[in-house]
Parts: sequence; structure tokens; C-alpha cells
Amino acid sequence: NAGVTQTPKFQVLKTGQSMTLQCAQDMNHNSMYWYRQDPGMGLRLIYYSASEGTTDKGEVPNGYNVSRLNKREFSLRLESAAPSQTSVYFCASSEILLGSSAGGFPSKETQYFGPGTRLLVL
Amino acid sequence: EDQVTQSPEALRLQEGESSSLNCSYTVSGLRGLFWYRQDPGKGPEFLFTLYSAGEEKEKERLKATLTKKESFLHITAPKPEDSATYLCAVQAVGDDKIIFGKGTRLHILP
Repeated sequence: NAGVTQTPKFQVLKTGQSMTLQCAQDMNHNSMYWYRQDPGMGLRLIYYSASEGTTDKGEVPNGYNVSRLNKREFSLRLESAAPSQTSVYFCASSEILLGSSAGGFPSKETQYFGPGTRLLVL
Repeated sequence: EDQVTQSPEALRLQEGESSSLNCSYTVSGLRGLFWYRQDPGKGPEFLFTLYSAGEEKEKERLKATLTKKESFLHITAPKPEDSATYLCAVQAVGDDKIIFGKGTRLHILP
């Protein structure tokens, strides 16, 4: 039981290049999330997927696209990387969408995070 | 605009010295408040969910409390292994987005 895995761990890109960050979970969770973390800015939600087949924008979606490939996998794509996208990217999953049960099933809303992908855009 | 402010930015305590971390929030209506722990170079670890004022949750040496304007993370008799950054986040009614504070870096000296 690996939990949430992310690939790659590190990546260096040149401005304008594209890449896909991969995320997979083996906990049979319905909901998945992509965050970025920058010094002094804290964690910010990029996109999330409440369940297989659905995706929604978070706080900072511009410059990114996502695909919920199946229940296990949720990928994040940078079509044309910019230096402002230099960051650490975290994927997370939860059995049900955070906040969706209004406290009725808090344990089902617990998020599990991957180890992160460190991306540098030159 | 929904906001989350955590204080202090950093806190150094001696082992066994109890203290509290603060998370002040401004949202039109609170759906949920969440606490996380993050160790350097790792992903966050989900700690607590709080949904209504007056609610309390405990885990080992940590206790989270919630009022209508803020949440406290109380740490009792901390140990060096409690050293980490503690993150607070809120979710507003009618919105799935999760807004994070910048965190409090906690360092427990042996």
C-alpha cells in the first residue's frame, strides 16, 4: 500500500516546454487534488476532482490543465511552462471531497498527500 | 475576500513548554477548518477537521479548538519530534476551494 505517489520527484524545464506531472493513489479514494507550494505563499489549490469523471478549478488554475484518467490517477499538465510556475507540486487524495459531508464523516474527508514534485522553470 | 492568517510565523519552545498556535480566518460562512503538519521536504499530514464553533479535537499532545473567528492549536508538553510547520486552512460555505494560511514553523529544543 504505497498511498499517494508522484512522478517525477524533480524536473528542470526551459520556458515554453511542456510536461505532465503524474499522480496515483491506491486507497480507492474518490477525490483528488493538485496543490502548489511557494515560499511565503503557502499551499494553493490548483485543480481538484471530486470523483472520477469530474474536475474543477481551484484558486490558481491558469496555465494548467488536468486529467482524471481513472479513479486512481490524476495528472497535471503544463502546456507552456513559465518561470512563475517554479514551485513544489503536491497531489492529495481523500475518500470523499473535503468538506462535502459537513462534518458528518470527517474521517472520510482526511486528505493524504504525496511526497511532492520539485519543478524549476528556467 | 476569504483570508487565513496564522501567528506567530515561527515559535521556538523548550521541550515540555506548552503553547498555542493561532489561526484567524475571515470567510462569509465557515464550512470547515483544517489543520495540517508538514515536515521539511515532505507533503503535509492531515491532522484535524473542525466544523462548528465550540468543537474540539485531540491527538496525542495536540488539541485544536474553534471559535467563530479563530482556531487554536494547543500543544501540551511538546517533544522535539513535534517540530514541524503547522498549516491551517478554511473552506467557505458554497465553495469547494480550500484557502491556506502561510503556516507556523514550530521548533522544540531538547
